[in-house]
Amino acid sequence: KAGVTQTPRYLIKTRGQQVTLSCSPISGHRSVSWYQQTPGQGLQFLFEYFSETQRNKGNFPGRFSGRQFSNSRSEMNVSTLELGDSALYLCASRRAGDTGELFFGEGSRLTVL
Amino acid sequence: DAKTTQPTSMDCAEGRAANLPCNHSTISGNEYVYWYRQIHSQGPQYIIHGLKNNETNEMASLIITEDRKSSTLILPHATLRDTAVYYCIGFYSGNTGKLIFGQGTTLQVKP
Repeated sequence: KAGVTQTPRYLIKTRGQQVTLSCSPISGHRSVSWYQQTPGQGLQFLFEYFSETQRNKGNFPGRFSGRQFSNSRSEMNVSTLELGDSALYLCASRRAGDTGELFFGEGSRLTVL
Repeated sequence: DAKTTQPTSMDCAEGRAANLPCNHSTISGNEYVYWYRQIHSQGPQYIIHGLKNNETNEMASLIITEDRKSSTLILPHATLRDTAVYYCIGFYSGNTGKLIFGQGTTLQVKP
C-alpha cells in the first residue's frame, strides 16, 4: 500500500512569507505527527493530530500551526518565515492506538532566503 | 522521557554483525525502547522495539539488559545499504506520538 506522501518535496521562500506543507497518511492511519529536522537541533517534535484534534505539541512558537482533515490528511503552516525555519519537515502517521511505530514520509525541504 | 546515550559513530565491515549500543539508565518501567534509522535524505524508518524481552524481526535483533538500563541493536549481516544514522528512543505510550530523537549513531558499513 502507499506510504506517507508529503508535498511539496522542495520549496524556497523568503523571510516574512508563509508556507503550507501537506501530508497524506497511510490509508487507515488516523494519527499524523510532524517533525522538524535541522543540522543543529536534529529531529524535533512539532505536533500530533488524531481525529482532527491536536493531541500533543512540541516547544515551537505559535508561528507553527497545523490541522487535520476528516480524511486524516494534515497540513502544517509556518507564518512569518525566518531564516532559522530552513529545515526538513517530516510527517509521520501511525495506526490508532499509542504505539511508537511511526511511518515517516520523505519530507518537505524548506529553504528560507 | 528517558534520556538515551549512543556513540556518535561506528564502523562495521560488510557481512559482519553490527552491534549498536544504547544507554537508557533513566528509562521508566512503562517506557519501550524503540530503534529507528535514517538513511541520508530520507525519512526515519522503524526497525524494532521492546520492553523487557529480547526481540527479533526480519531486520534486526534487540537485546535489552535485565535491569533495562541499556540495550543493543544487532544487524546480523550488515550491508552497505545499512549505512545510516541509528536512533535509540525511549517511548511511553502516554506521550501520544511524541518521539524524542537524540543525536543517534552514524553507522558506516565498509566493503
